[in-house]
Amino acid sequence: SYEMTQPPSLSVSPGQTVTITCSGEKLGNKHVCWYQQRSGQSPVLVMYQDKKRPSGIPERFSGSNSGNTAALTINETQAMDEADYYCQAWDSGTVIFGGGTKLTVL
Amino acid sequence: QLRLQESGPGLVKPSETLSLTCSVSGGSISSSKNFWAWLRQPPGKGLEWIGSLYNTVRANYNPSLLSRVSISADTSKNRLSLKLRSVTAADTGDYFCAGGGTNWIDPWGQGTLVTVSS
Repeated sequence: SYEMTQPPSLSVSPGQTVTITCSGEKLGNKHVCWYQQRSGQSPVLVMYQDKKRPSGIPERFSGSNSGNTAALTINETQAMDEADYYCQAWDSGTVIFGGGTKLTVL
Repeated sequence: QLRLQESGPGLVKPSETLSLTCSVSGGSISSSKNFWAWLRQPPGKGLEWIGSLYNTVRANYNPSLLSRVSISADTSKNRLSLKLRSVTAADTGDYFCAGGGTNWIDPWGQGTLVTVSS
């Protein structure tokens, strides 16, 4: 079965840039989405089709996907960005999630 | 704006059937999304897709749950249902329903916690 790998945790200082990666075989051939899940809340879509931002998501969120790696970059990181982030793709009609990355802003 | 609300028993005994309902407001389940989905998240762990429903009749399931799960829709009540049979403690977690676009999942319901315990 298809697998996607994310770093379990990352930390960033407020105002800095952080990139969360998601790796999988030929992932660049798939469309990748990203979800933000703050503590105690349900997931929220923050990026779809690799690099498209849903309405209401700040411009400091950006996405890319090429080769075996997709990435979610957050510029000028704020305290409110502290959350778990999950990448998601489709494989043979099934939804696959990465294991999630816990982003700490400190 | 589309809103989804999960409901159902918070406690289910081992070997029994978990049954949840997702009430959809702000749009019709027959037309407002490309698909509908159920997902879950064990305590302290990551997200897992359970299955999706297309055109309110055709379902696609996670292979690991295929033998135990069914997803259906009641268009007259504008709601979705999830049934998971023969549950064990490993089925404990937050259960979410969600709508889907072409290949993304949005919006999500607030989720409901289901505990499997005797």
